[in-house]
Amino acid sequence: DTAVSQTPKYLVTQMGNDKSIKCEQNLGHDTMYWYKQDSKKFLKIMFSYNNKELIINETVPNRFSPKSPDKAHLNLHINSLELGDSAVYFCASSRDLYSYEQYFGPGTRLTVT
Amino acid sequence: AQKVTQAQTEISVVEKEDVTLDCVYETRDTTYYLFWYKQPPSGELVFLIRRNSFDEQNEISGRYSWNFQKSTSSFNFTITASQVVDSAVYFCALSGGYNNNDMRFGAGTRLTVKP
Repeated sequence: DTAVSQTPKYLVTQMGNDKSIKCEQNLGHDTMYWYKQDSKKFLKIMFSYNNKELIINETVPNRFSPKSPDKAHLNLHINSLELGDSAVYFCASSRDLYSYEQYFGPGTRLTVT
Repeated sequence: AQKVTQAQTEISVVEKEDVTLDCVYETRDTTYYLFWYKQPPSGELVFLIRRNSFDEQNEISGRYSWNFQKSTSSFNFTITASQVVDSAVYFCALSGGYNNNDMRFGAGTRLTVKP
């Protein structure tokens, strides 16, 4: 069973569209995250959610909105997509806010044309 | 502020050579964790190791070994007798501080092992 899963794996869309990436974890973890990996492979944290509360928002544009219907899911919704949003987005989870070990999903490659 | 520096952007070795990937970190926290992740060409992130700031013992796992030295703020990763399947991007990461889940990644080192 996959611990952290993301859908879709690949997403190609045009500028200006709105899209969502889904993430689910079956580990019973309380905290989930979204990371962005740019073309230079640099990983940067975007958000983390602990028990449905936003903990970190690393100066991410408000076009990006994380939505957590329950603690097993943290979806990423992006409005008005821009070319610069093209990247690989990773979801991750950890046992709780004080657990340092994060488990990553397989990533979603977003291409904006 | 926390920062992780992986100065080696790309390394290329021939199979069976030993290779060391460098990682230098900066943090003001006394309690923190260091990680190494592997990202093979398929793209997923694979957890390799976690060390806490109070444990400076070196660790060996098969062909992999890690050298943690607080005096130089380094957490280097050595692959012994490298194999083609070791070809990947390797990330060093640091976690700790008030927001304990604020994990900072280095820029990654792309390792290519040639047959």
